[in-house]
Amino acid sequence: ETGVTQTPRHLVMGMTNKKSLKCEQHLGHNAMYWYKQSAKKPLELMFVYNFKEQTENNSVPSRFSPECPNSSHLFLHLHTLQPEDSALYLCASSQGLQETQYFGPGTRLLVL
Amino acid sequence: KNQVEQSPQSLIILEGKNCTLQCNYTVSPFSNLRWYKQDTGRGPVSLTIMTFSENTKSNGRYTATLDADTKQSSLHITASQLSDSASYICVGCLQTGANNLFFGTGTRLTVIP
Repeated sequence: ETGVTQTPRHLVMGMTNKKSLKCEQHLGHNAMYWYKQSAKKPLELMFVYNFKEQTENNSVPSRFSPECPNSSHLFLHLHTLQPEDSALYLCASSQGLQETQYFGPGTRLLVL
Repeated sequence: KNQVEQSPQSLIILEGKNCTLQCNYTVSPFSNLRWYKQDTGRGPVSLTIMTFSENTKSNGRYTATLDADTKQSSLHITASQLSDSASYICVGCLQTGANNLFFGTGTRLTVIP
């Protein structure tokens, strides 16, 4: 275990549903990240939070909405997703923005 | 353009054999080069981090090399085990910024008995 947990591990949702992904880190880190991993493509950074403040929104569609209530928790709220949003969503944390990132196990999302 | 390219895309080797994975990177201003291992259904796990002044770094049976002049890195796996079956991802890191990591598409390694 890396000290980063994600729930749920698997999620199937329709295009009109609203769901949320949760990430929690037990490492005392200050930075948290959301990544999207699609088959045969590099990891795509979505959002970065440093000390609870969003420092990066990598041109992500507004149907993805992040929330960081404290430095240990990170959420990704999903609504009116498209089938092409089906992917593995990974959360990561690091002590600082230049430090090693520790990844959670990911949430496998399928949008029907 | 900052990018990382890995080869081969996939590799199958016999248990006990050695193998080498390649990474070419164009990342500037360069800070460090990282290798991650990602098991199926899991998140990536860091294997090594090397700055431009480091030529080689080992982590058990994994040895990474870095040539900052040619902007190439390799990951050598010695005496492979079935548990080495995974994707190996090369990552170039910029010196600054929150969006500072550039990921390769990975090499899928399968070790067979």
